[in-house]
Amino acid sequence: AQSVTQLDSQVPVFEEAPVELRCNYSSSVSVYLFWYVQYPNQGLQLLLKYLSGSTLVESINGFEAEFNKSQTSFHLRKPSVHISDTAEYFCAVSDPPDKLIFGTGTRLQVFP
Amino acid sequence: DVKVTQSSRYLVKRTGEKVFLECVQDMDHENMFWYRQDPGLGLRLIYFSYDVKMKEKGDIPEGYSVSREKKERFSLILESASTNQTSMYLCASSFLGATDQPQHFGDGTRLSIL
Repeated sequence: AQSVTQLDSQVPVFEEAPVELRCNYSSSVSVYLFWYVQYPNQGLQLLLKYLSGSTLVESINGFEAEFNKSQTSFHLRKPSVHISDTAEYFCAVSDPPDKLIFGTGTRLQVFP
Repeated sequence: DVKVTQSSRYLVKRTGEKVFLECVQDMDHENMFWYRQDPGLGLRLIYFSYDVKMKEKGDIPEGYSVSREKKERFSLILESASTNQTSMYLCASSFLGATDQPQHFGDGTRLSIL
């Protein structure tokens, strides 16, 4: 069975600093990978996804994630965070045909 | 925009009560999901439905049942609520077979069992 590991349960960071949220998955076969974000008191929203092609994928709000097949990783990065990025971030891997396996989440706390 | 609507944002019930959580989606999605979200445990799948009247157990189905009488509506039922079912419940939907497409989530129902 597939699994997703998010090693950091909490990441505190100052505003305008860079951040990396780590995600590793277990499968060695082709997978689809997703990052979801959950703002306080809301459901999950898709942030970005890797399906195929370029290993670097970007979101509209400055986040990017790099698919690394040899390390089975899909880390999320942002070069300069904003207060509004404070949220919980979930990495997920496809579990065909229709399901997702989620990691345990990383709470990003951005301080002024 | 896809909309997944959960009927209650907050719900407080008593131990032993039968509890219904309702979810409606407006995008004609075949798949609907119920997850439970707990701190440090992430999202865990309770039940999954890929068609009307069809259901499949997820990772933690014990103590729960589901009903899908119409394509747009998926209900989660706690037959006899217990305090260990206090949690955030999230509903999601997606197209059948479209593993590359995201699941769309509702805002969640925070359920407290006293």
